[in-house]
Amino acid sequence: TAGITQAPTSQILAAGRSMTLRCTQDMRHNAMYWYRQDLGLGLRLIHYSNTAGTTGKGEVPDGYSVSRANTDDFPLTLASAVPSQTSVYFCASSDGEGNTDTQYFGPGTRLTVL
Amino acid sequence: GQNIDQPTEMTATEGAIVQINCTYQTSGFNGLFWYQQHAGEAPTFLSYNVLDGLEEKGRFSSFLSRSKGYSYLLLKELQMKDSASYLCARLDSNYQLIWGAGTKLIIKP
Repeated sequence: TAGITQAPTSQILAAGRSMTLRCTQDMRHNAMYWYRQDLGLGLRLIHYSNTAGTTGKGEVPDGYSVSRANTDDFPLTLASAVPSQTSVYFCASSDGEGNTDTQYFGPGTRLTVL
Repeated sequence: GQNIDQPTEMTATEGAIVQINCTYQTSGFNGLFWYQQHAGEAPTFLSYNVLDGLEEKGRFSSFLSRSKGYSYLLLKELQMKDSASYLCARLDSNYQLIWGAGTKLIIKP
């Protein structure tokens, strides 16, 4: 079972360029999430989607956009990257059957913006 | 993380017991999660507590006191593979997870 996959594994990006981080899950989970993880800080929620066709803003949404055209895919786009967006990005999903369901994480994308 | 406090780093000996504490803001609380994260890998689920008391799962146990805003993760019979970061996360009033910065656990032979 693949679970959640993310691509690319890592990327070096020039400031000002755009990029889309891909996330796909095969568990038919309703809810999906994007987090960033920085040294010394907890995971911070960027955007989330409770079900296909809906999205919401998390704690640190500025500079990022998402879409949820179907259940499986939840891409994260950086329209014009800045060095402060250098981070490890994790996608997660949960079945959404209850508000307290467990989140399952993808392997992460390590992004460096120069 | 927002209003979640846990020690930055702890060291323990193989075969011993270690307790990792987590304190959190009690308002808008809907549950407490513990995740394990090995270096360079994704977080993986360990436990969820919503009621007071101790939940035991093999070598790992998690405790919650809602009135005190306190939880701990207890790891018994430590193995070298338990070297990892342990993340405490509070489910807030919007049912979003608020994460602590994590406790890096170093196991020595």
